[in-house]
Amino acid sequence: SYVLTQPPSVSVAPGKTARITCGEDNIGSKSVHWYRQKASQAPVVVVYYNNDRPSGISGRFSGSNSGNTATLTISRVEAGDEADYYCQVWDSGTDHPGVFGGGTKLTVL
Amino acid sequence: EVQLVESGGALVQPGGSLRLSCAGSGFTVSFNYMTWVRQAPGKGLEWVSVIYSDGNTYYADSVKGRFTISRDSSKNTVSLQMNSLRGDDTAMYYCATLGGRVVDLIFVPNYFEYWGQGTLVNVYS
Repeated sequence: SYVLTQPPSVSVAPGKTARITCGEDNIGSKSVHWYRQKASQAPVVVVYYNNDRPSGISGRFSGSNSGNTATLTISRVEAGDEADYYCQVWDSGTDHPGVFGGGTKLTVL
Repeated sequence: EVQLVESGGALVQPGGSLRLSCAGSGFTVSFNYMTWVRQAPGKGLEWVSVIYSDGNTYYADSVKGRFTISRDSSKNTVSLQMNSLRGDDTAMYYCATLGGRVVDLIFVPNYFEYWGQGTLVNVYS
């Protein structure tokens, strides 16, 4: 089964670009989804199917997925982007299809 | 508008049981793929269970044999019966729908689309 590896923390200055990675062997063969969770709130999907955005999500959020690494990119970071971010895959065909990464705390300096 | 409202969280002793419920509105629970995700205090998200529209169910190894997911079409709810509770079951429990795409006329679930606000389960001794 999949084990998705994320860095525990990423720090970035306002206006810069943040990149959060999600690693697993051959993750490029799966669809990866990303969630933002602000303090004391439920998660919200910000990127799905590697690089699609739900309606209402800023165009500053984008994703990529190739080889062994998927990446969430947040451009022109704002203070309001500070949150925990999780990657996720759905491993259909197994008895344990739901898989989350360990999460990355994004700190805006 | 799709809404999910969880209920049933409580303080319970180890070995005890609890039943969580998730009421859906704006959509039909039985036509959808419904899941439970939990988050222990200060920890990350952990997928717990799913019930597919065809009734098939799956569980994380950590809860298999102790938790049972079910749905009630008449009430438009999905429930999680939790037995033999342990301290490491302490968490916020979220109900979520699965989003996906239709491939070759078949819906393929993939991501957690709509979430409730969660209900807190605290297993203490």
